[in-house]
Amino acid sequence: GAVVSQHPSWVICKSGTSVKIECRSLDFQATTMFWYRQFPKQSLMLMATSNEGSKATYEQGVEKDKFLINHASLTLSTLTVTSAHPEDSSFYICSARSLAGSTDTQYFGPGTRLTVL
Amino acid sequence: AQSVTQLDSHVSVSEGTPVLLRCNYSSSYSPSLFWYVQHPNKGLQLLLKYTSAATLVKGINGFEAEFKKSETSFHLTKPSAHMSDAAEYFCVVSDNSPGKFYFGTGTSLTVIP
Repeated sequence: GAVVSQHPSWVICKSGTSVKIECRSLDFQATTMFWYRQFPKQSLMLMATSNEGSKATYEQGVEKDKFLINHASLTLSTLTVTSAHPEDSSFYICSARSLAGSTDTQYFGPGTRLTVL
Repeated sequence: AQSVTQLDSHVSVSEGTPVLLRCNYSSSYSPSLFWYVQHPNKGLQLLLKYTSAATLVKGINGFEAEFKKSETSFHLTKPSAHMSDAAEYFCVVSDNSPGKFYFGTGTSLTVIP
């Protein structure tokens, strides 16, 4: 149980194009999902909190117009990197919050490797 | 404010010997604490979690961690390291109200054959 998938697992795009990454909770409903960014050999940096049916909450320093988040249903959140640039190249990881069993836990997707040429 | 300090950025052990990965936390609340493992180019897998029940928490793959409030620590241990344990380990404290996670900087575990 508590499986989270991400699609695609890796993507290469040209500078100036937009890329959409999907995050799905496969066997539970998640009213809250989180998007993280991870640079090589570093920890995860929280970018934004995605809430089903409402606007995402972005962390300080994260451009909301560049990283568009849509939490369309209780099992799907998408992150769109708009007008991508080489500095956006990174490993993007989503998580889905589960409140099952009275514990508040996040289950993580396998990540998406984005390379912008 | 919530924060986590992982005291070692890198730990090397020989296969079959004990593993100790250290974590200290700071929290204004009664915290929830987690250990996650990340293998190269993979997402994070939950090893174990503490949520104010038993202070000694058993997780998957033979790992366990002990919550010590007096020391504000949540160290991860395993009696005998296996080659497959080589990975990056993250200690996490949760802000229970909005469910935010605060990550430590990670500890890279190397297992020497």
